[in-house]
Amino acid sequence: QQQVKQSPQSLIVQKGGIPIINCAYENTAFDYFPWYQQFPGKGPALLIAIRPDVSEKKEGRFTISFNKSAKQFSLHIMDSQPGDSATYFCAASMLMDSSYKLIFGSGTRLLVRP
Amino acid sequence: DVKVTQSSRYLVKRTGEKVFLECVQDMDHENMFWYRQDPGLGLRLIYFSYDVKMKEKGDIPEGYSVSREKKERFSLILESASTNQTSMYLCASSLLMGDPSSYEQYFGPGTRLTVT
Repeated sequence: QQQVKQSPQSLIVQKGGIPIINCAYENTAFDYFPWYQQFPGKGPALLIAIRPDVSEKKEGRFTISFNKSAKQFSLHIMDSQPGDSATYFCAASMLMDSSYKLIFGSGTRLLVRP
Repeated sequence: DVKVTQSSRYLVKRTGEKVFLECVQDMDHENMFWYRQDPGLGLRLIYFSYDVKMKEKGDIPEGYSVSREKKERFSLILESASTNQTSMYLCASSLLMGDPSSYEQYFGPGTRLTVT
């Protein structure tokens, strides 16, 4: 019930393409859904996040689409660039044991070819 | 600029050794976390701490312990390292209270531990 399922495991697109990464959850107590981006040799860093009362959020070329009834959310990267090549993790947050904790998806390794 | 540092980027230890991984943050955050990252499994929470000397088990605490004697420092201890603990270990910190959007976790660069 606390799992977040992420797909695909890896993704290759050409420069300018629109990669889409999907996540699904079961627990309706989750109240915050961030995406983290991780470059090789670095720790993950927050990219963009959404609350369940919003269906879409855009920040630059990155868009989260959120479907509360289906308990699914996805990341779209518009006009993808080779510099977007990284591993992307979706996550879900809820208050547990006196603190907000994140449950992470399994990650998607994205490669954007020039 | 916020910063989470980890004591080692790479570490090689032998089976049965006691291993200490250190993490320091300079953001005065209450929460600190230890994760391990394995391909196809994402980030899995080992332990977290919301205050000095406080600790809570995460999803995979077996074989690990933690110590938080100062607010800025959180240590992960492998009492007797085993080969199945070969992994990337990530430390993170965040604020404790407030709006969920303020609970952004800031990660260190990770320690790649190999147990032979």
